[in-house]
Amino acid sequence: LAKTTQPISMDSYEGQEVNITCSHNNIATNDYITWYQQFPSQGPRFIIQGYKTKVTNEVASLFIPADRKSSTLSLPRVSLSDTAVYYCLVGAGDGGSQGNLIFGKGTKLSVKP
Amino acid sequence: DSGVTQTPKHLITATGQRVTLRCSPRSGDLSVYWYQQSLDQGLQFLIQYYNGEERAKGNILERFSAQQFPDLHSELNLSSLELGDSALYFCASSVAMDLNTEAFFGQGTRLTVV
Repeated sequence: LAKTTQPISMDSYEGQEVNITCSHNNIATNDYITWYQQFPSQGPRFIIQGYKTKVTNEVASLFIPADRKSSTLSLPRVSLSDTAVYYCLVGAGDGGSQGNLIFGKGTKLSVKP
Repeated sequence: DSGVTQTPKHLITATGQRVTLRCSPRSGDLSVYWYQQSLDQGLQFLIQYYNGEERAKGNILERFSAQQFPDLHSELNLSSLELGDSALYFCASSVAMDLNTEAFFGQGTRLTVV
């Protein structure tokens, strides 16, 4: 399973755009990139998933360059309620033995007023 | 509400005891994952079941075991409990066994070993 590296923490202010980058140099051909959000004492919540280029949904965008060795989660106009830990996951989508959800340390985002 | 139900929400027990945590996945989900999260620690993957069969094993201690029943609910059994086992235990479920599908997490069971 490809190892991921994210910043441990990030600070932002309300209304700003936040970009969290994840490095996954050993990503395999059939690996997908998935981001989860976790609030204190709650289970993680799926945010977005992508394979290449750009994916956008109602809460975030995911940018994946051509070499797929990194990805960037973009949160537009963050609010205080976006304060949470954000996890980047990379893993196989082939149902193989390594197709389990392995979480790294995550990035703790603090949004200030 | 993710649709994943975990019981109990809180559990306090003594060292050396045994407890069972229960997880009911979302309707239609065949895959169940168990995680342990200690204070200020990340999510440690324990084990995954798919349609009753064990699919993957993570950092699960020998004192811990799990199973998935024919009705797809799952139980995590923790025995010979130690103070260090105090943690939040999360269950997640997904339709398929791979990472292509979104996983839904329950609210967790907070276990306190005293």
